[in-house]
Amino acid sequence: AQKVTQAQTEISVVEKEDVTLDCVYETRDTTYYLFWYKQPPSGELVFLIRRNSFDEQNEISGRYSWNFQKSTSSFNFTITASQVVDSAVYFCALRFRMNRDDKIIFGKGTRLHILP
Amino acid sequence: EPEVTQTPSHQVTQMGQEVILRCVPISNHLYFYWYRQILGQKVEFLVSFYNNEISEKSEIFDDQFSVERPDGSNFTLKIRSTKLEDSAMYFCASSDYTGELFFGEGSRLTVL
Repeated sequence: AQKVTQAQTEISVVEKEDVTLDCVYETRDTTYYLFWYKQPPSGELVFLIRRNSFDEQNEISGRYSWNFQKSTSSFNFTITASQVVDSAVYFCALRFRMNRDDKIIFGKGTRLHILP
Repeated sequence: EPEVTQTPSHQVTQMGQEVILRCVPISNHLYFYWYRQILGQKVEFLVSFYNNEISEKSEIFDDQFSVERPDGSNFTLKIRSTKLEDSAMYFCASSDYTGELFFGEGSRLTVL
C-alpha cells in the first residue's frame, strides 16, 4: 500500500526555536518522489522540495533542511531559527508511478504555530 | 516563472447545479492533476491525466466528475450536479517527466 503518515497533527514552538516535522511513507515502488509543501493561511500550496528515491543526500536551503532516510522510510523536515512567517500547514507527499498509474498522495499535514 | 493558473478563484453555486473549474497548466508539462481539500482537512487526490486520458482516479472521482483538455491548453474539472459535500478548495497541478509538481492557487467551491 502507498501511504504517507504525518503523525504530528499540530506543533507550537516559540520563535527562534528549531522544529522538525516528521514524515513516514510506505511504498512498494523502487522509483518514487517525495515532496514537502507549505500551505499558508491564504490557502495556496507552495512547493518546498522534491526528492527522488535514488537521491538520499540531505538538503539544506537557508533555514530549511530535509533528512531523507530510506532505511526508515522517512523524509523529515527541519526549520531552524523558526519565524512567525513559518506558521502554516505543512504537507508531505509521495508520488509514485506504476504501469499507467500516476498519483501523488498527501499526508494529513502538520499545522505549525510559531509563537512570537 | 511559469505557473499554473486556475479560474475562478471562488465560485458559489446552488446544490444540483453544474460547475466547471478551469486550469491552465504550465505549457510544456505532460501530466495533469486535480486535488481537493475540504476545509481544514488534507489534500486528496481526485484524478491524474496523461496523453489525453485519465491515468488514475480515486474513489472520490465518481460519475459526477469529469475532466477534459478541450483545446490543448485548458484542463477542466466538471461537477455535473453539485452536492453540499463538494464544497472544498480544488487544486489543479501539472508536472513534467522530472516529477516536480506545480500547483495552482486553487478554486474555492461553495455549494449552498
